[in-house]
Amino acid sequence: QQQVKQSPQSLIVQKGGISIINCAYENTAFDYFPWYQQFPGKGPALLIAIRPDVSEKKEGRFTISFNKSAKQFSLHIMDSQPGDSATYFCAAQTGANNLFFGTGTRLTVIP
Amino acid sequence: KAGVTQTPRYLIKTRGQQVTLSCSPISGHRSVSWYQQTPGQGLQFLFEYFSETQRNKGNFPGRFSGRQFSNSRSEMNVSTLELGDSALYLCASSVTGGSSYNEQFFGPGTRLTVL
Repeated sequence: QQQVKQSPQSLIVQKGGISIINCAYENTAFDYFPWYQQFPGKGPALLIAIRPDVSEKKEGRFTISFNKSAKQFSLHIMDSQPGDSATYFCAAQTGANNLFFGTGTRLTVIP
Repeated sequence: KAGVTQTPRYLIKTRGQQVTLSCSPISGHRSVSWYQQTPGQGLQFLFEYFSETQRNKGNFPGRFSGRQFSNSRSEMNVSTLELGDSALYLCASSVTGGSSYNEQFFGPGTRLTVL
């Protein structure tokens, strides 16, 4: 059973456009929601993370929107660049150090 | 500060063999978690070690085991390898354990191929 559901599976965006990736969860015990970026041949790297007491967090071109009542959260990448082309994973975590990952979104930014 | 290192980076084994993977966490990090990444199942949590003790375990068979040493370095062992064990095995370290606010830093992974 997938604890964190992620969509879309793949996304193609023009340079300068906005990339939006959505995730949903069921377990209300989750209290930490990170997003990871993974390039081919590399391990995932933390991009941005949010706690459920905050509805939005912005770091540069990356923004997380969090809707606690709907149990949904999303990643927005503003002014998408070809260098952003990678696979993005949302994740959720309880107090224990085990992350439950979404299935990933392969983002391609076309120049 | 050096990142998480994993050795070896690539490994080819045959069915029935066993394998040991190694992970060196970031200096000062005491928690090490292991994940399996496959195209079909995605990223799945294997187990976490903190202060040489396994604190959390995912839903994997007993063929998957691990340990942590006093310097926080960790090893993961898979016995009686099956074709389905072919995957990228990722190690992640964090400063402490038991808090969801501790960022986990991932290593580059060990690519295991079982023939």
